[in-house]
Amino acid sequence: GENVEQHPSTLSVQEGDSAVIKCTYSDSASNYFPWYKQELGKGPQLIIDIRSNVGEKKDQRIAVTLNKTAKHFSLHITETQPEDSAVYFCAASKPSGTYKYIFGTGTRLKVLA
Amino acid sequence: GAVVSQHPSRVICKSGTSVKIECRSLDFQATTMFWYRQFPKQSLMLMATSNEGSKATYEQGVEKDKFLINHASLTLSTLTVTSAHPEDSSFYICSAPSPQRAGETQYFGPGTRLLVL
Repeated sequence: GENVEQHPSTLSVQEGDSAVIKCTYSDSASNYFPWYKQELGKGPQLIIDIRSNVGEKKDQRIAVTLNKTAKHFSLHITETQPEDSAVYFCAASKPSGTYKYIFGTGTRLKVLA
Repeated sequence: GAVVSQHPSRVICKSGTSVKIECRSLDFQATTMFWYRQFPKQSLMLMATSNEGSKATYEQGVEKDKFLINHASLTLSTLTVTSAHPEDSSFYICSAPSPQRAGETQYFGPGTRLLVL
């Protein structure tokens, strides 16, 4: 079945620096890749997503890139702020009727003021 | 984005009792909802797919007799943890696909923290 690996598991950056989180998926049929931010004790919130027909997508300080050939996708956060501190999860899904997600293992991002 | 709510937000119960968790889509209809379980500092693990008007589909290793799912209407799915034990203590989260985004995008509820004593 599908497997999604995520690295690093923890990441500390200075405020204002960039943060990059990488994911690798195994199922070449996967075509939708969302990123979620989860704060302590809360449900995940969608921050950006990308479909397999697009190589890059940007929304203000957040961008996602996708390399279908290598089955890699990455989250890039620029000009990090303390409020960016949270756990970030990538996910992959494929068009199998119900779009079930397979989540990565999560990255705990800490932005140091 | 679409709003999904859960109730209760946290519950403490004694071992052997049953606990019901509700998941509601507040401003859209959802024929499908998903239930996840998340242990501390771990990822979300899909437990089951809740289907309105039909039986839920459970992931491998999830006991359907222990985790009863009922999708009573187009805006409500419930998860009942029957005869709960301390090992069932976890963070339970539901999600529903957004109808505006071809069902690909899931919106998550705020989660329910269950503690079984």
